[in-house]
Amino acid sequence: ETGVTQSPTHLIKTRGQQVTLRCSSQSGHNTVSWYQQALGQGPQFIFQYYREEENGRGNFPPRFSGLQFPNYSSELNVNALELDDSALYLCASSLGQESKNIQYFGAGTRLSVL
Amino acid sequence: RKEVEQDPGPFNVPEGATVAFNCTYSNSASQSFFWYRQDCRKEPKLLMSVYSSGNEDGRFTAQLNRASQYISLLIRDSKLSDSATYLCVVNTLYSSASKIIFGSGTRLSIRP
Repeated sequence: ETGVTQSPTHLIKTRGQQVTLRCSSQSGHNTVSWYQQALGQGPQFIFQYYREEENGRGNFPPRFSGLQFPNYSSELNVNALELDDSALYLCASSLGQESKNIQYFGAGTRLSVL
Repeated sequence: RKEVEQDPGPFNVPEGATVAFNCTYSNSASQSFFWYRQDCRKEPKLLMSVYSSGNEDGRFTAQLNRASQYISLLIRDSKLSDSATYLCVVNTLYSSASKIIFGSGTRLSIRP
């Protein structure tokens, strides 16, 4: 067990709706990264939060947004859901923002958009 | 061209065989490299970090070639439990902003 927990585990939404996914980082970890993993693909980097600030972003539109709280837990928000947003959403926590830091993943939230 | 490219496989090899995967990356400024393993419908888990000098962990050996911009993973004496998807990861820090790129993964299936 990595100590990274995500909720909910599964979620079904319809196109146009909004969704919030949650992640609790491993104790002591101040950095959280979010990924989208479509079936048969590797995880795609959405963004990273370090000490409550966005610290890097992949090629995702602004309707993907996030937050990190003082306890380092994090939320991923997706507005105006599209069918292609159906995927496994993974969060990973690490200690610090250095590139060499190992990331520990949660089990993910599987989102289906109908 | 993708920033990180892997042969998707699948690699189907007998138990006890040696198998090698390569992963190429396009950004010469990338700083850190990893191999992760992902079992079906599970989250990725770190297999090993990849250091410039190369590193070994039991049956697994990872190497980095910065000049040619690729990393490799060698698995010796493969076991049935090695069946999984292997993901290479390239991490770049730009003025304190991170960019973490996963390859699309190489599927490995070990047969008895």
